Amino acid sequence: QQQVKQSPQSLIVQKGGISIINCAYENTAFDYFPWYQQFPGKGPALLIAIRPDVSEKKEGRFTISFNKSAKQFSLHIMDSQPGDSATYFCAASTYGGATNKLIFGTGTLLAVQP
Amino acid sequence: DVKVTQSSRYLVKRTGEKVFLECVQDMDHENMFWYRQDPGLGLRLIYFSYDVKMKEKGDIPEGYSVSREKKERFSLILESASTNQTSMYLCASSAGRRKMRNQPQHFGDGTRLSIL
Repeated sequence: QQQVKQSPQSLIVQKGGISIINCAYENTAFDYFPWYQQFPGKGPALLIAIRPDVSEKKEGRFTISFNKSAKQFSLHIMDSQPGDSATYFCAASTYGGATNKLIFGTGTLLAVQP
Repeated sequence: DVKVTQSSRYLVKRTGEKVFLECVQDMDHENMFWYRQDPGLGLRLIYFSYDVKMKEKGDIPEGYSVSREKKERFSLILESASTNQTSMYLCASSAGRRKMRNQPQHFGDGTRLSIL
């Protein structure tokens, strides 16, 4: 119940195309859903995040779509660029006790071909 | 900008050794975390700390311990290293709940640890 399932494991997209990464969860207590981006040799960095009271959040070319009833959320990268090539992790947060903990998905390796 | 610094990028140790991984953050964050990252498994939480001298187990604490004697420093200890602990280890920090819920976690660049 604590898992976050992420797919696909890897993705190849042509420059200018749309990249879509999907995540699903079971625990209805999750109340915060961030996406992290990780370049080779670097730690993950927060890209964009959403709370369950909204169905979509957009920041530039990056959009999170959230479906509370289906317990699914996805990351859409519009006009994908070679510089977007990285590993993307979805996550979900439970808030209890002293702080919030993140449960991460297994990651998606995105390659955007020029 | 928040900076989380991990003391080593690469480390090679032998089975049975006691291994220390160090992490320092410069943003006066209350929370600090240790994860391990393995291909196909994502990031898994080992331990976290929400205050000096306070610690809580994450999802995979077996074989590890932690120490937080100062607010800015969080150490991960492998008591007796084994080959199945070969992995990428990531440290992160975040501001505490007194500020706002769901503060982002800021990560270091990782320590790639090989146990021979």
